[in-house]
Amino acid sequence: QVQLQESGPGLVKPSGTLSLTCAVTGGSISSSNWWTWVRQPPGKGLEWIGEIYHSGSTNYNPSLKSRVTISVDKSKNQFSLKLNSMTAADTAVYYCARRRVVVVAANFFDYWGQGTLVTVSS
Amino acid sequence: QSALTQPRSVSGSPGQSVTISCTGTSSDVGDYNYVSWYQQHPGKAPKLMIYDVSQRPPGVPDRFSASKSGNTASLTISGLQAEDEADYYCCSYAGSYTFYVFGTGTKVTVL
Repeated sequence: QVQLQESGPGLVKPSGTLSLTCAVTGGSISSSNWWTWVRQPPGKGLEWIGEIYHSGSTNYNPSLKSRVTISVDKSKNQFSLKLNSMTAADTAVYYCARRRVVVVAANFFDYWGQGTLVTVSS
Repeated sequence: QSALTQPRSVSGSPGQSVTISCTGTSSDVGDYNYVSWYQQHPGKAPKLMIYDVSQRPPGVPDRFSASKSGNTASLTISGLQAEDEADYYCCSYAGSYTFYVFGTGTKVTVL
């Protein structure tokens, strides 16, 4: 059973950079899956941020692409999110999730972390 | 890319059926059979309920069914139960530039 767990600071200053990590247990990050970040502002809907394959290939939301970097650390079985130039609009619960690949890539997210709230405030 | 449009809320009594619509465009819902639905209870992570328009993952009750017509996808919950009270989000693949777009979310209330 794959489990995902987000970690990182809960408070980021305006104009600062968010750094979050998602630890993967119960499976290898080098398996055929796309590892994804999704966020949810308080009281609002979900927004897909981007994803990474274990090879390092990435896909990003065009609206965030200029500020986002997703990377993978195979030695630690985890992947990370960096979002720079943070503003109050980036305050949200950030989730990591898995998009599986079985022969072909699926187009849904079957495992999710519990989420971590990140607040942008001075 | 705008979010897919869902009704803000729907409600029904136990045992009744409710249907949630998810309206997109010819660039997302209308162009791909890759609509998924997620259930989210307060303070919890989303849970996959439907994938590829109408497929149920193992463990999801068959009370949950879904379909698509043109640019609109729909999720139906039959035999509504108290534990179905939650927020529901649709999601569609939108091509190799936008990738994934979620719906605005619908709160299901069991009266």
